[in-house]
Amino acid sequence: KAGVTQTPRYLIKTRGQQVTLSCSPISGHRSVSWYQQTPGQGLQFLFEYFSETQRNKGNFPGRFSGRQFSNSRSEMNVSTLELGDSALYLCASRGLAGGVGETQYFGPGTRLLVL
Amino acid sequence: AQSVAQPEDQVNVAEGNPLTVKCTYSVSGNPYLFWYVQYPNRGLQFLLKYITGDNLVKGSYGFEAEFNKSQTSFHLKKPSALVSDSALYFCAVRDMRQGNTPLVFGKGTRLSVIA
Repeated sequence: KAGVTQTPRYLIKTRGQQVTLSCSPISGHRSVSWYQQTPGQGLQFLFEYFSETQRNKGNFPGRFSGRQFSNSRSEMNVSTLELGDSALYLCASRGLAGGVGETQYFGPGTRLLVL
Repeated sequence: AQSVAQPEDQVNVAEGNPLTVKCTYSVSGNPYLFWYVQYPNRGLQFLLKYITGDNLVKGSYGFEAEFNKSQTSFHLKKPSALVSDSALYFCAVRDMRQGNTPLVFGKGTRLSVIA
């Protein structure tokens, strides 16, 4: 089975621009979560989607948004980019039922650099 | 609220020696516990998890972890370290009682295995 894929892998943007990142979960997985990883803050949860509905949301400003499509693919969007948004953005998908004990599998991440 | 602590930012061990990466957790109910490893410029790879049952959990690449409820710990261990084990290790927890809340990750421990 193919793993979680994320595109693009690397991205350079300037302040004020917006960016869209894409994630394709493992086939059959309906839960997709997004995380931001930075050296200073570690792994911070952004949001989770399950069957096209946002199920959980982290403590990030409204500039960060996401959505999930009927095929479970997910996108996250960051508008009005700030220097502090430079990070590795990780996507993870979880089981068929998205249940509490199921393992999350992570993609390789998208490294975003904001200049 | 659920939380995870990884008390050591860095662990150094000689190749061939046993290694331990420490993790303690705090949840109000029973925990689901996970270990992940991250190699440079990669996403997180799942190593093992504790859901219920035997307190000693065996995972990928010869790693194991022991769940200790009284000490609220879930330390990762390997009998004989390899240079290729050098990476960043994350412990994560989800409270069984909280339903489908996001995984909460520790800050990570950087393991360095010296030849």
